[in-house]
Amino acid sequence: GAVVSQHPSWVICKSGTSVKIECRSLDFQATTMFWYRQFPKQSLMLMATSNEGSKATYEQGVEKDKFLINHASLTLSTLTVTSAHPEDSSFYICSVLGVGASGRGLFEQYFGPGTRLTVT
Amino acid sequence: QQPVQSPQAVILREGEDAVINCSSSKALYSVHWYRQKHGEAPVFLMILLKGGEQKGHEKISASFNEKKQQSSLYLTASQLSYSGTYFCGTENPGNQFYFGTGTSLTVIP
Repeated sequence: GAVVSQHPSWVICKSGTSVKIECRSLDFQATTMFWYRQFPKQSLMLMATSNEGSKATYEQGVEKDKFLINHASLTLSTLTVTSAHPEDSSFYICSVLGVGASGRGLFEQYFGPGTRLTVT
Repeated sequence: QQPVQSPQAVILREGEDAVINCSSSKALYSVHWYRQKHGEAPVFLMILLKGGEQKGHEKISASFNEKKQQSSLYLTASQLSYSGTYFCGTENPGNQFYFGTGTSLTVIP
């Protein structure tokens, strides 16, 4: 399986400021990464699909000008929450698609440890 | 497009069995199952492809009925370590992933 890291793991920021979250694929090159947001006691909601070298594909209802995604290399995707507000406080998780251990060539998702954002 | 899971929550005593269901309104290419502990990222359990296959992982197994667009996760002889929130994840043609509504499972001694 793939090893995925996120940085920072926890951040508090003031309302109106911007926060950048990094997602790194440590042991293989990821052409596609996913960004999810999870509110307390809720499921993961897909925000966008990040494609290396091209624009991200955003899910309906996700503001692309507010959540800037940059996938500049095969090992790094960044999510920038611009002009953050308290309602943006959430658990942000990235994932990569990697060939799984099933031996059937299937792609499986491997998740980063998540970034907990609190906007005050 | 979010799959619906049932039940929403379940409490088991060690050694008891449970079934978690996942139902989608869309045609599915595959179904994934994950377990998430509080404050942590989800951990992949297994993937099932269309074709009605079943899979097993220790004492956790799953089935996928593509015609009914449903999958079920079976936990047998539950252990304390099984506690967590279980999510199904569905893949549509086009590689879009959507996570289910989640099922909170608590195993007590």
